[in-house]
Amino acid sequence: KAGVTQTPRYLIKTRGQQVTLSCSPISGHRSVSWYQQTPGQGLQFLFEYFSETQRNKGNFPGRFSGRQFSNSRSEMNVSTLELGDSALYLCASTSEGGSYNEQFFGPGTRLTVL
Amino acid sequence: GQNIDQPTEMTATEGAIVQINCTYQTSGFNGLFWYQQHAGEAPTFLSYNVLDGLEEKGRFSSFLSRSKGYSYLLLKELQMKDSASYLCAVRGPSGTYKYIFGTGTRLKVLA
Repeated sequence: KAGVTQTPRYLIKTRGQQVTLSCSPISGHRSVSWYQQTPGQGLQFLFEYFSETQRNKGNFPGRFSGRQFSNSRSEMNVSTLELGDSALYLCASTSEGGSYNEQFFGPGTRLTVL
Repeated sequence: GQNIDQPTEMTATEGAIVQINCTYQTSGFNGLFWYQQHAGEAPTFLSYNVLDGLEEKGRFSSFLSRSKGYSYLLLKELQMKDSASYLCAVRGPSGTYKYIFGTGTRLKVLA
């Protein structure tokens, strides 16, 4: 089975712009979660989607949004970028029928805001 | 509030044993996970505990005490390739699929 894929892998934007990141989960996985990872804060939960519905949400401002499509692929969007949004954005998919239901992570998108 | 604490950094010698502790305070608990993350790579699943006790998986073991809000990851016969960050994560109440991660413990294995 192919793993979780994320595109693009690297992105450079300037303050005030917006950005859209994409995540394709492992085939058959319907839950997709997004995280922001920074050196000081670790992995911070953004949101989780299941069957095209946002099921859980973290404590991020409304500039961060996401969606999930019928094929379970997910996108997240960040509008009005700020310098502090520079981070590694990780997507993880979960099978809800497995033994542990552990999360499988993609390689991430490294976003740099200048 | 929800909080997970882990030491920031640890150093150990090749061939030794190291224990990485994790304490947590979360609203709801449906399992504790340990992930390994090498620099520049994605986290990968190591272990899962939902009941109290020790789970052993080769050189890696993980322990959980739910009453104490405490877990540890034990790495035996350390190898250089074990140099990585180790992330402790708690999954929220059953059915929520919400995970809270600690900031990770950076382990350096020295020759």
